[in-house]
Amino acid sequence: EAGVAQSPRYKIIEKRQSVAFWCNPISGHATLYWYQQILGQGPKLLIQFQNNGVVDDSQLPKDRFSAERLKGVDSTLKIQPAKLEDSAVYLCASSSAGLSTDTQYFGPGTRLTVL
Amino acid sequence: AQSVSQHNHHVILSEAASLELGCNYSYGGTVNLFWYVQYPGQHLQLLLKYFSGDPLVKGIKGFEAEFIKSKFSFNLRKPSVQWSDTAEYFCAVTYSGYSTLTFGKGTMLLVSP
Repeated sequence: EAGVAQSPRYKIIEKRQSVAFWCNPISGHATLYWYQQILGQGPKLLIQFQNNGVVDDSQLPKDRFSAERLKGVDSTLKIQPAKLEDSAVYLCASSSAGLSTDTQYFGPGTRLTVL
Repeated sequence: AQSVSQHNHHVILSEAASLELGCNYSYGGTVNLFWYVQYPGQHLQLLLKYFSGDPLVKGIKGFEAEFIKSKFSFNLRKPSVQWSDTAEYFCAVTYSGYSTLTFGKGTMLLVSP
């Protein structure tokens, strides 16, 4: 079974530039998550989708971050404009049904450096 | 806000030593508990999880964890570590009705041969 795919793996930008990340979840998984992992910390949820609808975006800084999952499959996360504090690894995860007991499967992440 | 605490940020052990990594969570209601591992250069992957039944849970690669509700704890154990266990270990929790994982800060384990 193919895992969660993410691209790019690495990105370096200057502050105030924009950047986009892409995620393709495991086939058939209804729920997709974007997490932000800052160095030395555990991942923290940015947004959760159930099919193509948003379940939880309470921790998403909506003045600069946006995300979509238009056809209920792959997803993009965008930052515009980027700040220095956005330097982090952005992880995409998926699970089959979005239940609290479900295993979440993680992609390799995108490491973003903002200069 | 609910939180997860991992007691040690770095642990260094010799091969064959026993391992116990501490994890405590703050929520008093129904929880589901997970340990994830990230080997160098690899994705986060599930080691084991608990959501009901026997509080002693066995996972992959000889790991186990015990849920002690009265102590709000879910400590990870392995009787004899190997060099290949070198990785970062994350404890995480979901709360009943919510599938978002709340993670601890992680413990970096280094096993010397």
